[in-house]
Amino acid sequence: GENVEQHPSTLSVQEGDSAVIKCTYSDSASNYFPWYKQELGKRPQLIIDIRSNVGEKKDQRIAVTLNKTAKHFSLHITETQPEDSAVYFCAASKKTGANNLFFGTGTRLTVIP
Amino acid sequence: DGGITQSPKYLFRKEGQNVTLSCEQNLNHDAMYWYRQDPGQGLRLIYYSQIVNDFQKGDIAEGYSVSREKKESFPLTVTSAQKNPTAFYLCASSPLGTANTEAFFGQGTRLTVV
Repeated sequence: GENVEQHPSTLSVQEGDSAVIKCTYSDSASNYFPWYKQELGKRPQLIIDIRSNVGEKKDQRIAVTLNKTAKHFSLHITETQPEDSAVYFCAASKKTGANNLFFGTGTRLTVIP
Repeated sequence: DGGITQSPKYLFRKEGQNVTLSCEQNLNHDAMYWYRQDPGQGLRLIYYSQIVNDFQKGDIAEGYSVSREKKESFPLTVTSAQKNPTAFYLCASSPLGTANTEAFFGQGTRLTVV
């Protein structure tokens, strides 16, 4: 099966700095890579996703990059704000009908005002 | 927040008892999933269902059971066979198609064994 590793487990940055979270996956057949943000006590919510036919995707202050050869993908948050503080999960899945997501272990991001 | 609803938000169970967690969605999604979330371990798949009256085991199905009698509903039963049931349980749903799409999560049920 798929194995997704995520680093770091915790990350603290000053407000306005950038944050980078990295994930690797093991199954070369995986072709969909979403990132979820989970605020304390709330449900995970999709913030950005990327498919294997694309190397980079950007949405305002958030960007995701994918290196299929190396089997790793990263989340980049620029100009961080206190409301970015949350736990972020990466995930990977294959196009097998059901969207069976394999999740990383999460990164707790703290943005210090 | 609408779309996918889990109940209750908090649940307490005595050892040796079965307990059922509810998950309902009005998004007309074919696929539904149950994940377990433990500190430092991310989300792990328990069961999933792509169609009514059919479901498949995920990575950690032992001690759990599900049913899918209606498209909108995918209840999870935590049985007494589950040795460490205290956790946060998340239900999700997604459409099926030729390309993977977003999975929508419920707000979760925190189960505590007392």
